[in-house]
Amino acid sequence: AQSVTQLDSHVSVSEGTPVLLRCNYSSSYSPSLFWYVQHPNKGLQLLLKYTSAATLVKGINGFEAEFKKSETSFHLTKPSAHMSDAAEYFCVVSDGHMRFGAGTRLTVKP
Amino acid sequence: GAGVSQTPSNKVTEKGKYVELRCDPISGHTALYWYRQSLGQGPEFLIYFQGTGAADDSGLPNDRFFAVRPEGSVSTLKIQRTERGDSAVYLCASSLTRLAGGRGTDTQYFGPGTRLTVL
Repeated sequence: AQSVTQLDSHVSVSEGTPVLLRCNYSSSYSPSLFWYVQHPNKGLQLLLKYTSAATLVKGINGFEAEFKKSETSFHLTKPSAHMSDAAEYFCVVSDGHMRFGAGTRLTVKP
Repeated sequence: GAGVSQTPSNKVTEKGKYVELRCDPISGHTALYWYRQSLGQGPEFLIYFQGTGAADDSGLPNDRFFAVRPEGSVSTLKIQRTERGDSAVYLCASSLTRLAGGRGTDTQYFGPGTRLTVL
């Protein structure tokens, strides 16, 4: 079975500094991978997805993620954090079932 | 266009009662999913519909949980004899279709969820 591990439950950055949210996956074959963001009292929103095309995936709001098969990682990055980025982020692996990580709460300090 | 909608947004009920949670998917989406998100955790898969039929209900925790999608659009998640442990946010998602063979999925679009509290 496939699974994901989000290595940090909480990440805190200052506005304007880079963001790194870490995700490792376990899969028996080349997976589909996603990052979703969840703002309070709002639905999950897709940030980006990897489906075996380019390994560097660009998403919305300046986020991107790199698929590294050798490291079984799919870390999410953004060069410069904005206050509006504060939310819960979920890494997801799919084998037909979407399997979510436990989430990383991103706090952005002014 | 309209996204996935869920009603009610909040539901408070007493232990032992029956509840129904409704999901309106994006028009034209044939695949519909239900998830449950407990506090501090990621969503967990419950059931998946392709059209009117439940293609995979392996995530339903027990026989108190049941879901229907009679006309291939709106779906209702039904919980009988609710327990305090059923308290969670129930999320619905829809996608245009689902790739054959189970590998990967079309992008799933999520509703805002129904927060169920069982007292």
